[in-house]
Amino acid sequence: DTAVSQTPKYLVTQMGNDKSIKCEQNLGHDTMYWYKQDSKKFLKIMFSYNNKELIINETVPNRFSPKSPDKAHLNLHINSLELGDSAVYFCASSQVKGSVETQYFGPGTRLLVL
Amino acid sequence: EDQVTQSPEALRLQEGESSSLNCSYTVSGLRGLFWYRQDPGKGPEFLFTLYSAGEEKEKERLKATLTKKESFLHITAPKPEDSATYLCAVQADSWGKFQFGAGTQVVVTP
Repeated sequence: DTAVSQTPKYLVTQMGNDKSIKCEQNLGHDTMYWYKQDSKKFLKIMFSYNNKELIINETVPNRFSPKSPDKAHLNLHINSLELGDSAVYFCASSQVKGSVETQYFGPGTRLLVL
Repeated sequence: EDQVTQSPEALRLQEGESSSLNCSYTVSGLRGLFWYRQDPGKGPEFLFTLYSAGEEKEKERLKATLTKKESFLHITAPKPEDSATYLCAVQADSWGKFQFGAGTQVVVTP
């Protein structure tokens, strides 16, 4: 019973193409995130949505555009892909207990730009 | 500027050889410190949340502790299945977002 799912799992594409990654969570959480994990395994936040509203937008090229059609889904569209976009992209959702959030991650999408 | 620093970068242990991982942070208004485990090719898996200095949490062979400046993840009598990358993350009042450390890669050999 998958909690946070992402599609596709692997994505190989040419430079200059446009691609989308989809994320869905069935945990009933209000907040969802996109992270990028580079080759050194460092996880860096890109975006966060709460109830379909953008609340965190880090310094990310505007070729990256998140979209949240409802609070269970957060998609990531990438225009004009570049070699440096190659990485693993993780979606996460979070719940709040008291004042503390706990995040749950999806399995990741491995993007390779050739 | 590194606000969350993990050490060592890598740790190789014999089965049964206990050790500790360190996560040091510089932040005012800590909302929570989190430990995750990440297996190759998978997403991070939540382990613990620590809220305040002096707090401890345990799960099987893992024990996490927290002071005002750092957290330790103790692995007692590790088994090969404990091999993974362990990630630390901090959420602060001033950030809201999560800030992750670079992780410690642990390999436990039989």
